Amino acid sequence: EVYLLESGGGLVQPGGSLRLSCTTSGFIFNKFGMAWVRQAPGKGLEWVSGIRGGGDNAHYADSVKGRFTISRDKTKDILHLQMDSLRVEDTAVYYCAKDHNLLFYYYGMDVWGQGTTVTVSS
Amino acid sequence: DLQLTQSPSFLSASVGDRVTITCRASQDIRNFLAWYQQKPGKAPKLLIYAASMLQSGVPSRFSGSGSGTEFTLTITDLQPEDFADYYCQQLNTYPQVTFGGGTKVEF
Repeated sequence: EVYLLESGGGLVQPGGSLRLSCTTSGFIFNKFGMAWVRQAPGKGLEWVSGIRGGGDNAHYADSVKGRFTISRDKTKDILHLQMDSLRVEDTAVYYCAKDHNLLFYYYGMDVWGQGTTVTVSS
Repeated sequence: DLQLTQSPSFLSASVGDRVTITCRASQDIRNFLAWYQQKPGKAPKLLIYAASMLQSGVPSRFSGSGSGTEFTLTITDLQPEDFADYYCQQLNTYPQVTFGGGTKVEF
């Protein structure tokens, strides 16, 4: 069974750091594109960062560029999101998601984790 | 920047209704569009990919259509479990993707 499980969320002060992890199972992790998507309280979905399958080419939303870093641990099949210089507006539930198809990237994201909550507040 | 505009933002419906949600892109995205359903406190669920392909396990009352800049998600014979939020997503600029603002389908 394919599953994703996020961890690492919590309460942090503005300017602080957190590292989110997404533990994966049931698929060839290194071959699929992966992404982090967040949802602020009462708001819609916002793509944060993505990494292509088979490579380490990372991409970021303008709102987090220069502050967040996505990475893969290929030995443990874990996706990470290092979040630095956190702002109040980064408060959200953070989901990791897997690409539906390793060839046809436009097929969307078919498996999502349950989410981990990040609260940035003083 | 590519924008996705969903309409309506809120939709009041009843069990058995036919419901249509529209997603408009600010530029041609071919058929690189997906639709998701999200219930309170839960992760999004993929319903439709490549604009019109039904994801495995999703009931056939859900359907998607469109290409280019205009897309629709249609739910026929609305069921109680379909009351949820719905989002479109463009993947033409993958891996930098964009979500629409969402549509809340409520009773």
